[in-house]
Amino acid sequence: AQSVTQLDSQVPVFEEAPVELRCNYSSSVSVYLFWYVQYPNQGLQLLLKYLSGSTLVESINGFEAEFNKSQTSFHLRKPSVHISDTAEYFCAVSSYSSASKIIFGSGTRLSIRP
Amino acid sequence: GAGVSQTPSNKVTEKGKYVELRCDPISGHTALYWYRQSLGQGPEFLIYFQGTGAADDSGLPNDRFFAVRPEGSVSTLKIQRTERGDSAVYLCASSTPPGGGASDTQYFGPGTRLTVL
Repeated sequence: AQSVTQLDSQVPVFEEAPVELRCNYSSSVSVYLFWYVQYPNQGLQLLLKYLSGSTLVESINGFEAEFNKSQTSFHLRKPSVHISDTAEYFCAVSSYSSASKIIFGSGTRLSIRP
Repeated sequence: GAGVSQTPSNKVTEKGKYVELRCDPISGHTALYWYRQSLGQGPEFLIYFQGTGAADDSGLPNDRFFAVRPEGSVSTLKIQRTERGDSAVYLCASSTPPGGGASDTQYFGPGTRLTVL
């Protein structure tokens, strides 16, 4: 079985500062990795995903995440955040054999201060 | 086109009652998923349909929970003898997996907030 740990339930940062949201996973088999975002009063949406190939994946709004197999991590980073990045971010994992069953972490609430 | 829609948006019921939650997936999406999100937690997988059949129902917590998708489009999640612990936001998602896989993005609906008094 897979599991996901997001150690930080809340991360407050100032606008234009860099941010890192941490994610560690546990699995005995190969996995796919995801970051989902939930903006205030909106539904959950996919931010980026790692399936295979390059371990660094990027989103269209400047976020990136790097798959580190040895450390079983998939941390999300952005060099300079904007007020509009305020949201809850969920790290998630699925296995190769059960790819449609996504296991989510408990989420990290990112709050941006002007 | 229209996204995933869920009705009702809010449902308040009393302990022991039966409830039905409806999900309308994006047109043409063959795969449909139900998740449950409790306060302060991430979504928890319940069940996955490929067409009309449940391909994976390993997340259903007990036999009070049941879901159907009779025509391969709309799905209904049914909860019998509701308990206070069933209170949560129930999310539905849909996707178009050619073979069922992580390469296919799941599109989520806004959810139904269920409150059991």
